[in-house]
Amino acid sequence: EVQLVESGGGLVQPGRSMKLSCAASGFTFSNYGMAWVRQAPTKGLEWVATISYDGSSTYYRDSVKGRFTISRDNAKSTLYLQMNSLRSEDTATYYCTRRGTGSDYWGQGVMVTVSS
Amino acid sequence: DVVMTQTPVSLSVSLGGQTSISCRSSQSLVHSDGNTYLYWYLQKPGQSPQLLIYKVSNRFSGVPDRFSGSGSGTDFTLKISRVEPEDLGVYYCYQGTHYPHTFGAGTKLELK
Repeated sequence: EVQLVESGGGLVQPGRSMKLSCAASGFTFSNYGMAWVRQAPTKGLEWVATISYDGSSTYYRDSVKGRFTISRDNAKSTLYLQMNSLRSEDTATYYCTRRGTGSDYWGQGVMVTVSS
Repeated sequence: DVVMTQTPVSLSVSLGGQTSISCRSSQSLVHSDGNTYLYWYLQKPGQSPQLLIYKVSNRFSGVPDRFSGSGSGTDFTLKISRVEPEDLGVYYCYQGTHYPHTFGAGTKLELK
């Protein structure tokens, strides 16, 4: 059974950093691209970033480019999202997704609140 | 960025009834590799989104045949027949052809 478990969220002040993790199991992690998708409270879904199966290619939405870094450790079957210079508009639930046939499996999400 | 326009914003449907959701993109979703990366997701209340349809018309594993997707180019439709209580929630279309990937704003399906 495919499982994606996010961790690392919480309350953070504007301008500070936070790193999210996503532990994957139930599939060969190194064979799949992965992505982060977020959802602000009561809002719709927003794609954040994608990384290729081997980490050689990464893609970001403009609003996070230069501030967020997506990475992975295939030996640990773990996906990361390093978030720097956080802003109030980054407040959202962040979902880790597997890029199989699209984002075919999703984690339960982790809440990030950026507030002073 | 590709804008995904979903209509209607909300739908009221009777159990056992049929309904459809439209999704239009601001540019063609046909990729240079010939595939059209248009997907449909359902987010039930309090849950993570779940994949229903991939590449326009393919049902994901375990998705009942009451759900069907169709369309091409910039115009796509999700049809739901014999609506059941578990179908209620917010439906999103999503394009994975062009970066940045983009979602529609969502269509809320409620019971009449």
